[in-house]
Amino acid sequence: GDSVTQMEGPVTLSEEAFLTINCTYTATGYPSLFWYVQYPGEGLQLLLKATKADDKGSNKGFEATYRKETTSFHLEKGSVQVSDSAVYFCALNRDDKIIFGKGTRLHILP
Amino acid sequence: GAGVSQSPSNKVTEKGKDVELRCDPISGHTALYWYRQRLGQGLEFLIYFQGNSAPDKSGLPSDRFSAERTGESVSTLTIQRTQQEDSAVYLCASSPQTAGVSPNYGYTFGSGTRLTVV
Repeated sequence: GDSVTQMEGPVTLSEEAFLTINCTYTATGYPSLFWYVQYPGEGLQLLLKATKADDKGSNKGFEATYRKETTSFHLEKGSVQVSDSAVYFCALNRDDKIIFGKGTRLHILP
Repeated sequence: GAGVSQSPSNKVTEKGKDVELRCDPISGHTALYWYRQRLGQGLEFLIYFQGNSAPDKSGLPSDRFSAERTGESVSTLTIQRTQQEDSAVYLCASSPQTAGVSPNYGYTFGSGTRLTVV
């Protein structure tokens, strides 16, 4: 069945470092792809999305490009901040449901 | 309300007892989803409701789990004869439409109910 695989955490970086969180997917057809973020003590929030191949989703300095050829949707940010510390979930939609990866916990050190 | 509201925020129950978890979606959102998040795991789909259509129950792990929703309003998730493996955060989300119809909407999640079965 359809699935999402993302890099295991935790990922620990210093402030202003470059961030990449890898995400690959397995799906029939061309699903829409998402990144959700869960800040400490809060509910999940949609961070960005891409609905077709080569689309780039972006929000709050984060970017991810829908790569059909590598079935990937890696999350990147050029300069992370302490406030970016959270759990990040890669996801895809299938048959009116969203299927989530296991999440990657990100710690940013000041 | 302004967001998705879930209650209680925390629930500790004894093994074998029944529990009810409540979700109040954003007004006007026709789609409502329940997910389970076990410690260190991703989100596991349980059930979703879309308007007055029959719910998709394909993710419910056993017949001890059931959920109801009246129209486009409140939903309750019931777990009967709770077991320790039911301990998890139960998340509810709502959306103006289902992801398959319009993925651009994404979901709005509640803060979840942390269930601990002792």
